[in-house]
Amino acid sequence: EVQLLESGGGLAQPGGSLRLSCIASGFSFSDHDMKWVRQAPGKGLEWVSTLTRSGDKTYYANSVKGRFTISRDSSKNTLYLEMNGLRADDTAVYFCARRWAGGPDYWGQGTLVTVSS
Amino acid sequence: DVVMTQSPLSLPVTLGQPASISCTSSQSLMYSDGNTYLNWFQQRPGQSPRRLIYKVSNRDSGVPDRFSGSGSGTDFTLKISRVEAEDVGVYYCMQGTHWPRTFGQGTKLEIK
Repeated sequence: EVQLLESGGGLAQPGGSLRLSCIASGFSFSDHDMKWVRQAPGKGLEWVSTLTRSGDKTYYANSVKGRFTISRDSSKNTLYLEMNGLRADDTAVYFCARRWAGGPDYWGQGTLVTVSS
Repeated sequence: DVVMTQSPLSLPVTLGQPASISCTSSQSLMYSDGNTYLNWFQQRPGQSPRRLIYKVSNRDSGVPDRFSGSGSGTDFTLKISRVEAEDVGVYYCMQGTHWPRTFGQGTKLEIK
């Protein structure tokens, strides 16, 4: 059974940092591109970032480019999102998702990031 | 960025009746490999999104066959042949052809 378990969310101050983790199980982690998608409270879905299966290519939404860094450790079956320079509009539930056939087919339960002073 | 526009944004439906959601993209979603990477997702209240349809018309594993997707180029449709109570939630289209990836605004389906 495919499972994605995010952690690392919490309260951060404006300008602060957080590191999200997503532990994958039930599939061959190194065979899939992985992504982060977020959802602000009461709002729609926003793609944040994608990392290719080999780890050689990264893609970011303009809203996070230069502040967020996606990475993976295939030896630990774990995806990361390093978030720096956090702003109030980064407040959201962050979902980790696996990519297959042109889109995210499995999603985690999400981890809430709140940016507030 | 490719803009994904859904309509309607609110969809009240009687149980057992059909429902249809439209998604229009500002650019063609056909990729150079010949595939069109248009996905549909369902998000039930309090849950993570679940993908229903990939590459326009392919149902994901476990998705009931009352859900179907169609379209090409810039115009796409998700249809539910007979709405059931468990279909309540928000539906999103998402394009996986162009960077950055983009979602539609979401269509809230409710039971009338």
